[in-house]
Amino acid sequence: EPEVTQTPSHQVTQMGQEVILRCVPISNHLYFYWYRQILGQKVEFLVSFYNNEISEKSEIFDDQFSVERPDGSNFTLKIRSTKLEDSAMYFCASSDRTGVRNGFTFGSGTRLTVV
Amino acid sequence: GENVEQHPSTLSVQEGDSAVIKCTYSDSASNYFPWYKQELGKRPQLIIDIRSNVGEKKDQRIAVTLNKTAKHFSLHITETQPEDSAVYFCAASIQWRGSQGNLIFGKGTKLSVKP
Repeated sequence: EPEVTQTPSHQVTQMGQEVILRCVPISNHLYFYWYRQILGQKVEFLVSFYNNEISEKSEIFDDQFSVERPDGSNFTLKIRSTKLEDSAMYFCASSDRTGVRNGFTFGSGTRLTVV
Repeated sequence: GENVEQHPSTLSVQEGDSAVIKCTYSDSASNYFPWYKQELGKRPQLIIDIRSNVGEKKDQRIAVTLNKTAKHFSLHITETQPEDSAVYFCAASIQWRGSQGNLIFGKGTKLSVKP
């Protein structure tokens, strides 16, 4: 079964540093997303991406965040200057055009720890 | 924007009993309501979903009901088993052009099934 792949699985960074979280969506999917989950809390929407541009973003997705699809396979989330409160699990997701069940798939996540 | 409320936050049942988790949403335009199961340290996994043109959907021991007028939807698990123990999240979104759009999640229900 096709999977959304995320790397690294765990990243530790110092406050103020830039981090890039990487995702490889399922190959025939057209819609890409980033979500985050602070430990013990709910999953929160960050941003959706379609046709090489951001289609929606939440209040969390401020100027410190950016997304990019640098080539035909990768989808990245960059945090320019990390804060302690950015520590969370970050999930990438992708979905297909039809949106049928199981078309929306989460990756296994990157645990970001800011120290 | 959309707001999803979920309750209870914790639920403990005996093996074999039924479990019911309830969610309400605020945006009447929402038309897609998935339920996710998340085991500790893992990604959310879709277990069932329902669209606003359907009032009820069942998949083996799991069923979801939707009341559009009252803007609430519920997850029903029958004949619970210890492996059903996990955190369950409801979500709501507006599907457009086939995409699930951004999913707004509830805060989660920690279900414990005691053998």
